[in-house]
Amino acid sequence: DVKVTQSSRYLVKRTGEKVFLECVQDMDHENMFWYRQDPGLGLRLIYFSYDVKMKEKGDIPEGYSVSREKKERFSLILESASTNQTSMYLCASSNRGRPLGYTFGSGTRLTVV
Amino acid sequence: SQQGEEDPQALSIQEGENATMNCSYKTSINNLQWYRQNSGRGLVHLILIRSNEREKHSGRLRVTLDTSKKSSSLLITASRAADTASYFCATVPLMNYGGSQGNLIFGKGTKLSVKP
Repeated sequence: DVKVTQSSRYLVKRTGEKVFLECVQDMDHENMFWYRQDPGLGLRLIYFSYDVKMKEKGDIPEGYSVSREKKERFSLILESASTNQTSMYLCASSNRGRPLGYTFGSGTRLTVV
Repeated sequence: SQQGEEDPQALSIQEGENATMNCSYKTSINNLQWYRQNSGRGLVHLILIRSNEREKHSGRLRVTLDTSKKSSSLLITASRAADTASYFCATVPLMNYGGSQGNLIFGKGTKLSVKP
């Protein structure tokens, strides 16, 4: 069963900590995405990557960075976590060229205290 | 950047009834997709309709697309309690399509509650 795996379902971190959210896909997809989801705001794209070592800013990249050293892994980094980064984080992947839709991970609910 | 807007924001129906959710978008698209999200979980892809298609079926799901009105609808027939979830439309704007991008832009979703 093909899937996107996010390393943690729930995470609690302190303000100022460096936080790593990991995402791994086993479908050999070229494209990978990080979204955050907040009540009333829907899904907002943070960063995406269409190839190894490539990254592009989405709509809300401030306060985040990403890393894609291997095709199957896309990491989201909060350099210095703040309370306004408390959110649900969703990773997704898709195949380049054929618009078959995104496959999402189960999400990581991050709380910054 | 918000592209799709679902309507209604929330919908409550009885089991066995049909549920219709609508989506409007702003710019020309390559395709439109519908996703489902159970509470606290990731999104699951339901169906994709291309801009040159008008209607598509998948099991109890029926999707229509009217590009002249920039709108789509998702119909779930004979709903079940297990259909309770949030439903999102997502579009691939034409300007983004091609090459390595084709990023989806999501609406805010319709929260469907199906009472047994």
